Amino acid sequence: GDSVTQMEGPVTLSEEAFLTINCTYTATGYPSLFWYVQYPGEGLQLLLKATKADDKGSNKGFEATYRKETTSFHLEKGSVQVSDSAVYFCALSALNSGNTPLVFGKGTRLSVIA
Amino acid sequence: SQTIHQWPATLVQPVGSPLSLECTVEGTSNPNLYWYRQAAGRGLQLLFYSVGIGQISSEVPQNLSASRPQDRQFILSSKKLLLSDSGFYLCAWSVSERYEQYFGPGTRLTVT
Repeated sequence: GDSVTQMEGPVTLSEEAFLTINCTYTATGYPSLFWYVQYPGEGLQLLLKATKADDKGSNKGFEATYRKETTSFHLEKGSVQVSDSAVYFCALSALNSGNTPLVFGKGTRLSVIA
Repeated sequence: SQTIHQWPATLVQPVGSPLSLECTVEGTSNPNLYWYRQAAGRGLQLLFYSVGIGQISSEVPQNLSASRPQDRQFILSSKKLLLSDSGFYLCAWSVSERYEQYFGPGTRLTVT
């Protein structure tokens, strides 16, 4: 079945460091890919998305490129801030239908220290 | 714009008591609706989803149930809570022709 694999956390970085959170997927067809962020005590927020190969999603300084050849969608940010501390989830939607529930990775906790 | 509400925000219930969590969506029609549970330090577990009034798909057999009495209302229930039902419950919605799900603020349930 479809699945998403994220790097194990927690990830601890100093402020202004470069961030990469790895995400790889297994799916039939051509899925849409998403990154969600969850701040402490809150629900998930859609951070960015990409719907076809080579698309780059970006938001709030975060970027991720849909790499079909490596089945990956790694999240990157050039300079993290303390306010980026959160749990990040990679997800996919395998079919071109919103009726299909998303498949989520297990999440990666990021802690940014000043 | 669309908004999603969940209540209550927090709940402490004794083992064996009933449960009712409510989720409502505003600003859209005929959304797909979802209930997830997130145990402490764990990922998301899809519990139920609904593509229309009275249409519920269950992903995990357990002592929870879901109902959709109105187009934009989704209710999660239990007749008798277990300790293992403790967690953070999240409701989400999506538009059928799109892919993203949008999440509510969540309900923190502690079963004592």
